[in-house]
Amino acid sequence: GAVVSQHPSWVICKSGTSVKIECRSLDFQATTMFWYRQFPKQSLMLMATSNEGSKATYEQGVEKDKFLINHASLTLSTLTVTSAHPEDSSFYICSASRGREWDTQYFGPGTRLTVL
Amino acid sequence: GQNIDQPTEMTATEGAIVQINCTYQTSGFNGLFWYQQHAGEAPTFLSYNVLDGLEEKGRFSSFLSRSKGYSYLLLKELQMKDSASYLCATMDSNYQLIWGAGTKLIIKP
Repeated sequence: GAVVSQHPSWVICKSGTSVKIECRSLDFQATTMFWYRQFPKQSLMLMATSNEGSKATYEQGVEKDKFLINHASLTLSTLTVTSAHPEDSSFYICSASRGREWDTQYFGPGTRLTVL
Repeated sequence: GQNIDQPTEMTATEGAIVQINCTYQTSGFNGLFWYQQHAGEAPTFLSYNVLDGLEEKGRFSSFLSRSKGYSYLLLKELQMKDSASYLCATMDSNYQLIWGAGTKLIIKP
């Protein structure tokens, strides 16, 4: 159990467009979901934490108007990168936990975003 | 401040044993996680320690000493597929994961 999927697995878009990434927990209800980004050869950087039905909590330095997060149900969270620019190109990974923030996180396969 | 240290890279031989160390300094402590991450993929959960001692799970074992701020991941009977980065992460008093930079493990035949 504890399978998390992400869609799409990779996406290429033009500068100025918006991209939506979906994160789903397939076999459990995810009370809490996390969004990370990872640059090549670097560790994970937490962008935001979201609990079902409430607004996401963004980490310092992460623009909430640029990275829109919606956690509408216990199995789905979406990250929308608005007006994407080349510097937004990165590996975006979501994770989900059954309970609150202190529970084990299970990761989705990640989405590689390239902005031209 | 909060800090996690682990070696950048290690090399080991197929069939051997390797120990990856992790030292940490965090604001509060609510457990330590080890994740495996293959190149270009997301991390997968390996282990969670919140009490001192050794937790064994098949070929992988994880050890924690809270008083020393130290953990290690022990991999036995190494296989080529174990070549990956191994990430150490602690959970602080705010239940936030603090990630290490990862240890790239290279397995040679």
